[in-house]
Amino acid sequence: GQQLNQSPQSMFIQEGEDVSMNCTSSSIFNTWLWYKQDPGEGPVLLIALYKAGELTSNGRLTAQFGITRKDSFLNISASIPSDVGIYFCAGQLGDTGRRALTFGSGTRLQVQP
Amino acid sequence: KAGVTQTPRYLIKTRGQQVTLSCSPISGHRSVSWYQQTPGQGLQFLFEYFSETQRNKGNFPGRFSGRQFSNSRSEMNVSTLELGDSALYLCASSFGTVRDTQYFGPGTRLTVL
Repeated sequence: GQQLNQSPQSMFIQEGEDVSMNCTSSSIFNTWLWYKQDPGEGPVLLIALYKAGELTSNGRLTAQFGITRKDSFLNISASIPSDVGIYFCAGQLGDTGRRALTFGSGTRLQVQP
Repeated sequence: KAGVTQTPRYLIKTRGQQVTLSCSPISGHRSVSWYQQTPGQGLQFLFEYFSETQRNKGNFPGRFSGRQFSNSRSEMNVSTLELGDSALYLCASSFGTVRDTQYFGPGTRLTVL
């Protein structure tokens, strides 16, 4: 099946630093999503991207839908301790018969105060 | 607006038993998708239900089944449990349209002994 390659696997940064993570796929997607998951909880949606080339911000987070539709990146600016968690990218084809989300393996972010 | 709720949050079973997990979607949402999360395989799609019908299915054995009720609540059943079924089971609800967003519940942590 489809695979998403997410990198880096983990990051340890200082508070205030910017962070960048990305996902690449061997197949195209029509929707890219970024989720954050805290221990023992379900993923929480951060940003949804629906159009190739789209650049979307949500506070300190910025994400882009690659023009080839095979990649996406997420940037976090001026990181704070509460940014700690695991970040997942997910791709979706989206039409009725193909609504399953395909997830990357996650980026574990640790922020040193 | 209440989020997605899942019950129970934690379960311990032994091999060979069966288990039923429940998911109540966000009010107004008609689609419920189920995902399995394990350290080794990550987040994997199990199936989606929409208007009481299974609309999409992942690559899991027939021991994994589900259903959806007229109020959109969904249950997932796993029969003849195996040690490898230990995982966090997440459900996600959405309106079920082409480009809508899936919102996740907190998950049910299943441990098989």
